Amino acid sequence: RKEVEQDPGPFNVPEGATVAFNCTYSNSASQSFFWYRQDCRKEPKLLMSVYSSGNEDGRFTAQLNRASQYISLLIRDSKLSDSATYLCVVSQLSGNTGKLIFGQGTTLQVKP
Amino acid sequence: EAGVTQFPSHSVIEKGQTVTLRCDPISGHDNLYWYRRVMGKEIKFLLHFVKESKQDESGMPNNRFLAERTGGTYSTLKVQPAELEDSGVYFCASSQTRIWGQGQETQYFGPGTRLLVL
Repeated sequence: RKEVEQDPGPFNVPEGATVAFNCTYSNSASQSFFWYRQDCRKEPKLLMSVYSSGNEDGRFTAQLNRASQYISLLIRDSKLSDSATYLCVVSQLSGNTGKLIFGQGTTLQVKP
Repeated sequence: EAGVTQFPSHSVIEKGQTVTLRCDPISGHDNLYWYRRVMGKEIKFLLHFVKESKQDESGMPNNRFLAERTGGTYSTLKVQPAELEDSGVYFCASSQTRIWGQGQETQYFGPGTRLLVL
């Protein structure tokens, strides 16, 4: 079983739509949670950190449910430029390493 | 401020040859990570340096892979001899700290080296 599971999609949505991505993680010792964005043939870039209280950054809202080991990302008013792969990422502090554990990514395609 | 840089951007080699990948982290970042994405799989951790010391090399696939960070600046990852299954994208990332919650633990990724072993 993968440590971080995501629906790979693709999600094809029209401009202006609201889309939600979900992710589950298996290790309850996970301590930090992130969504990274990766454009085609580019490096992953941090989109936002995810906190238990939930956090919002413009059109993006992230939620964490530690009890269910579930992370979500909501994108409102989708733009063409939101088309990318969204990576769910967790981190565990084990032996003082901050290594990141990645999901396989969810592909979003926003159509005009 | 310059980001994480990696060299080369692409490398095509034959099975059995040696390849050395280089990563230059963001200046002042003590933490340097190597990750790899093979076709169809998720990005996976290889190892972590703090300055010149290997903090965690639990993700290194086997002893054909050797990573160094002499002087605690740039790092190299050597694959010798390369096998077909080593093909993929090798990412390097750096962070200022590995202590979470201080806002300086964000890992910034380089553009990656695309390795193809034929």
